[in-house]
Amino acid sequence: NAGVTQTPKFRILKIGQSMTLQCAQDMNHNYMYWYRQDPGMGLKLIYYSVGAGITDKGEVPNGYNVSRSTTEDFPLRLELAAPSQTSVYFCASRRTGLDGYTFGSGTRLTVV
Amino acid sequence: QKEVEQNSGPLSVPEGAIASLNCTYSDRGSQSFFWYRQYSGKSPELIMFIYSNGDKEDGRFTAQLNKASQYVSLLIRDSQPSDSATYLCAVNRGAGNMLTFGGGTRLMVKP
Repeated sequence: NAGVTQTPKFRILKIGQSMTLQCAQDMNHNYMYWYRQDPGMGLKLIYYSVGAGITDKGEVPNGYNVSRSTTEDFPLRLELAAPSQTSVYFCASRRTGLDGYTFGSGTRLTVV
Repeated sequence: QKEVEQNSGPLSVPEGAIASLNCTYSDRGSQSFFWYRQYSGKSPELIMFIYSNGDKEDGRFTAQLNKASQYVSLLIRDSQPSDSATYLCAVNRGAGNMLTFGGGTRLMVKP
């Protein structure tokens, strides 16, 4: 049981490049989330999904896109990377809307 | 007013003492409350959750919830240097689709 798996762990992008951050969970959780965490700051919600085929914007969705074609996978797409997107990105999942999250190990992204 | 507020710290306590971490929230419809511990460079890990008013104990940790005062706290008894981390309070708001996190309190336990 791997839990929530995020890839890659580290990435450096040039301004204007695009990339996809991968997130997969093997716990059959319906709810999945993407957060970003800037240095010394709390977690800000980017996008979330309450089930396959359903996604919704969080607090800071601009510059990102998501899809949820299966229960297991919830990739986050960055288009036209900007220095403001330099952050640590966490994917999380939970079984129901009342449970706590299980977090992935994070992706540290630097845009230069 | 932030939705979930925590004192950023650092909160410094000597080894063996009780560490008290506090959190206030603004949405009276909040239903469940979580405490996460985050070591530097690592992902948050769940240490406690509480749904009902009162206290909930789990080993050295006690979570306290007062919905009337919109206040949730975490007590860590017999604090150890290994408890040094940032503690994040998270609240399940309204419709319950997502958690809202406070900015975290940095705890330092000195030997």
